[in-house]
This record gives sequence, C-alpha cells and structure tokens, in this order.
Amino acid sequence: DIVMTQSPDSLTVSLGERATINCTSGQSVLYSSNNKNYLAWYQQKPGQPPKLLIYWASTRESGVPDRLSGSGSGTDFTLTISSLQAEDVAVYYCQQYYSSPITFGQGTRLEIK
Amino acid sequence: QVQLQQWGAGLLKPSETLSLTCAVYGGSFSGYYWSWIRQPPGKGLEWIGEINDDGSTNYNPTLKSRVTISGDTSVNQFSLKLISMTAADTAIYYCARGFRVVHSGWPYFDYWGQGNLVTVSS
Repeated sequence: DIVMTQSPDSLTVSLGERATINCTSGQSVLYSSNNKNYLAWYQQKPGQPPKLLIYWASTRESGVPDRLSGSGSGTDFTLTISSLQAEDVAVYYCQQYYSSPITFGQGTRLEIK
Repeated sequence: QVQLQQWGAGLLKPSETLSLTCAVYGGSFSGYYWSWIRQPPGKGLEWIGEINDDGSTNYNPTLKSRVTISGDTSVNQFSLKLISMTAADTAIYYCARGFRVVHSGWPYFDYWGQGNLVTVSS
C-alpha cells in the first residue's frame, strides 16, 4: 500500500494569509507513460462528505476558487490557499490513485487564528 | 447535476451484516467507477472497494474477505454488503463516483453521497 502522510496535522492561519498543506507519498505517484501525478485533494467540512478540489496534483475542479492551488510531483505535493477565507475552515485530505488500494492522507485540520 | 443518494440500516449488532445501497441520479452509470469509502468518527478515510458498469469489482485487501459490492445498471444503483461486523467497523459510510483514465491508475472521486453513520453495538 502507498502510505500518504500529511503535514502538519493542524494549522492555524489568519484571515487573508497563506495556508500551506503538505502531502508525501511512500512511493512516486507519477505515471511515466503520461507524465501525470495521480494525486487528488479534498476538503471536508463538519457533517459533510469530502469535496473534490484538485486532481492530477494541480488541476482545479470546476467551481473551486483560484485561491486554492495544488503543486508538486513524484512523492511531494502541496495544497496552497493563497488568501485564507472563513469558508476555508475544514479538514483537507490528499489521495493517491496511482495504485490499489486507493489511500488517503490522515487529514490536516485548518482553522482561523 | 449528478446526485448520489444512499440508504441502509444504521445500527447493527456484532456479527451482523451491513447492507447499504446508493442510487445515482442525473448522470450516467456507464463509464465510471462506483466506490464505497468509510470514515470512523473523527478519523480519516478508507477506501472499501469499487464496481464499474460491466460489473467488475475491486476491493481493499484489508476488507476483501468480508465485502461484496454489486450493481444494478437498470436502475443506476450499487450496493455494499459487509459481513461479520464488529465495533471496529463503526463509521460513516459514503458512496462515491470515481473517474478513472482507461488503462491507467485508479479513480479519484468527484461526487459523493451524503453518508450513513453505521454503529455496531450490542
């Protein structure tokens, strides 16, 4: 299984400031045949299912604000919120879909300072 | 707009079987991979398994011996059965639509059901 490790476990950021969440995979999730990273990011608010934010490590899902962005390749990935808004308070998960079983990071809780 | 609506029993006794069903509205069943994912209260996400439109299934090895996922394309529904439930299986269970590039990798999940809290207790 590919172990996905997120850091930090929790993060407190002031409104309008940048928030950065890291995700490291236990092995590369870069498919050499198509040069795509099989890495997605989700946002989960209390009492709701996860919501897809980013796939292919950096492609924003339709409707996701452009202040959220994904980057990275191979084993190291980052979700960045450029200017934190109140509605961004949530738990964020990364997911690898390179190999089975599909695995998720343990989650990063983002709160407002 | 695609919607996934799920239902099933929420309280089980140890050794009983979990049965959940997920109906897909507003979109095609074909061409996608339909998964079950669970989340113990206050914890992270665990992929249980998937079925596609031709009935092929794939399961997480940690649960494979206890899981069956089936589908009915005529009514755009798929179901989960998990036998021999224990307290460790207490979780919110989600159904989700998976998008997968053909012949490459596995799915990411773009639509989710609302979740069912399943509690196992004597």
